[in-house]
Amino acid sequence: EAGVAQSPRYKIIEKRQSVAFWCNPISGHATLYWYQQILGQGPKLLIQFQNNGVVDDSQLPKDRFSAERLKGVDSTLKIQPAKLEDSAVYLCASSNRDSHEQYFGPGTRLTVT
Amino acid sequence: GESVGLHLPTLSVQEGDNSIINCAYSNSASDYFIWYKQESGKGPQFIIDIRSNMDKRQGQRVTVLLNKTVKHLSLQIAATQPGDSAVYFCAGPEDSNYQLIWGAGTKLIIKP
Repeated sequence: EAGVAQSPRYKIIEKRQSVAFWCNPISGHATLYWYQQILGQGPKLLIQFQNNGVVDDSQLPKDRFSAERLKGVDSTLKIQPAKLEDSAVYLCASSNRDSHEQYFGPGTRLTVT
Repeated sequence: GESVGLHLPTLSVQEGDNSIINCAYSNSASDYFIWYKQESGKGPQFIIDIRSNMDKRQGQRVTVLLNKTVKHLSLQIAATQPGDSAVYFCAGPEDSNYQLIWGAGTKLIIKP
């Protein structure tokens, strides 16, 4: 089966610019996660979707980050405006409903200069 | 809040030897724990999990041990190979929504 797809793989932007990341989960997976992984740290959950509804976005900096999963399949994560501290790898993961095994995409490495 | 953490940021092991990566947790109510492997430039990959009602679980070349008394778990990799070079994370659930708390990771370095 195809894995979780993410694009772009790399992105370099200047601070105060905007950026968007795209994720296509494994077919049939109802749950989708966005994580931020800063170099040398474990992933930190930003937002969790169940189908097209938000389960938890308590750690999403809502003044600058937004995410949507309109049709319950693909998802986009946007940062506007970006700050230097947003430099990180943004990981998307998906899982079956009622399963704790999460499948991760390759991530998008964002560099903010 | 709850936490999950690994003991060593880096572990160097001779090729062919066994590797042991340790992890401590604080949430005694966790139903399960998961070990993930993250190779350079890739997303984390599921290795093995263990339910809280188990003390030991074995997979292919890997064994996870869970000691609930001291809130400690370990991942043992037998006959370590160059392909095992990666950062290893332990993770446990924060709540019933399958959200995970992740440790900082242990980087496993294989010496030839």
